[in-house]
Amino acid sequence: DAGVIQSPRHEVTEMGQEVTLRCKPISGHDYLFWYRQTMMRGLELLIYFNNNVPIDDSGMPEDRFSAKMPNASFSTLKIQPSEPRDSAVYFCASSYGNQPQHFGDGTRLSIL
Amino acid sequence: RKEVEQDPGPFNVPEGATVAFNCTYSNSASQSFFWYRQDCRKEPKLLMSVYSSGNEDGRFTAQLNRASQYISLLIRDSKLSDSATYLCAVRGSGGSNYKLTFGKGTLLTVNP
Repeated sequence: DAGVIQSPRHEVTEMGQEVTLRCKPISGHDYLFWYRQTMMRGLELLIYFNNNVPIDDSGMPEDRFSAKMPNASFSTLKIQPSEPRDSAVYFCASSYGNQPQHFGDGTRLSIL
Repeated sequence: RKEVEQDPGPFNVPEGATVAFNCTYSNSASQSFFWYRQDCRKEPKLLMSVYSSGNEDGRFTAQLNRASQYISLLIRDSKLSDSATYLCAVRGSGGSNYKLTFGKGTLLTVNP
């Protein structure tokens, strides 16, 4: 079975550049979550969607971050402009209803 | 008080030892509880859900104490392969009942 698929696996870019992270949830899952993980803050929920609709974006750090889910099989998290403090591992997870969440492999982002 | 707090760790134990982790949560209305395991540079993976009556899965036992608002994970007869970071996760209630809040994790190293 295909799990949650994220791309790219690694991204290194200079500050000020736009970064787009992509996620394909598990087929049939109706919830999609974006997390950020750092040593200092741990794993933090940024935003989540239900049936492609954003439900709670209270974890999004600031206006430089945006997320979309144009259809049930695709979501993006965009950072524009990027800053060094955005360096982290970004995970996407999906679930069916209130069943446990399944995580993708993550995108390791480094902003120079 | 943080929403979810875990033992700071790290834990270093010999093979065969029994080790226990605790995790406290601040929201008394929290509905569901989980333990995730995260290997180095990998995604979190669900280890087990935590049920009100406590539950066991092989060498792993999870307990919930609602009165004191904590969950615990006990690992018996630890193996080298148990070395990982263990994250507790708590799901809210009402409008937040699809959000998971994670602890920062406890690093376990099992030594030969």
